[in-house]
Amino acid sequence: KAGVTQTPRYLIKTRGQQVTLSCSPISGHRSVSWYQQTPGQGLQFLFEYFSETQRNKGNFPGRFSGRQFSNSRSEMNVSTLELGDSALYLCASSLLGEAETQYFGPGTRLLVL
Amino acid sequence: SQQGEEDPQALSIQEGENATMNCSYKTSINNLQWYRQNSGRGLVHLILIRSNEREKHSGRLRVTLDTSKKSSSLLITASRAADTASYFCATDDNQGGKLIFGQGTELSVKP
Repeated sequence: KAGVTQTPRYLIKTRGQQVTLSCSPISGHRSVSWYQQTPGQGLQFLFEYFSETQRNKGNFPGRFSGRQFSNSRSEMNVSTLELGDSALYLCASSLLGEAETQYFGPGTRLLVL
Repeated sequence: SQQGEEDPQALSIQEGENATMNCSYKTSINNLQWYRQNSGRGLVHLILIRSNEREKHSGRLRVTLDTSKKSSSLLITASRAADTASYFCATDDNQGGKLIFGQGTELSVKP
C-alpha cells in the first residue's frame, strides 16, 4: 500500500496570510491525526479526525482548524499566520485511531516570514 | 504539555556498540510506542508495547516497559551509522488517535 502523503512539502508564507495543508492517509485508514513539531515545543498534537468528525483536539488557538473528507483525506488550515507557526506539520493515519500504531507522512515544512 | 521525558537528550556512540534510551510518562496508558525520525523528516514506527507486556523484541530492538515505574527503555544492539536519528517515545493518553510524545533522544552513531 502507498504510505501517507502530504502536500505541499515546503511552504513559505508571510505573517497574516493563511495556509492549507493536505494529507492523504493509507488506503483503508479512517483516522487522521495532525501534529506540529518545533525545536522549542517538540511534537504536539493538533487534532484528530475520524469518519469526517473531529474527535480530539489539542491545545492550539482557533486559528488552527481542519477537516476530513469522505475518502478520509484531511486538510488543516492555519489562518492569520504568526512567526511562531513556523514548524514541521506532520499528519499520521491509522485504522481506527484507538491506541494503535500511527503511520506518519513526510511532513510539510512551513516557514512564516 | 509533554507526557514523556526522555533521557539522555543526546547520545553519541561508535558503530557496534549498544544504545539505550529511556522514557518516563505520567498517566496510565494502553500502550507505549517508539518512533524514529531522520533529520526533520516524518516519523517511522519502530515498535509498540502494550501495557500488559514487559518486554518486546524486533530485530536489533529491545523494548521494556515498567508500568509501576511508568517508564520504558529502548535498546538498539550492534548499532550502525544508519541508526543515527532522533528517537521518540509516545503514549496514547486514552483519547482516541492522540499520541503524546517525549522530547526525544538524538542518537549519533559514528563509523
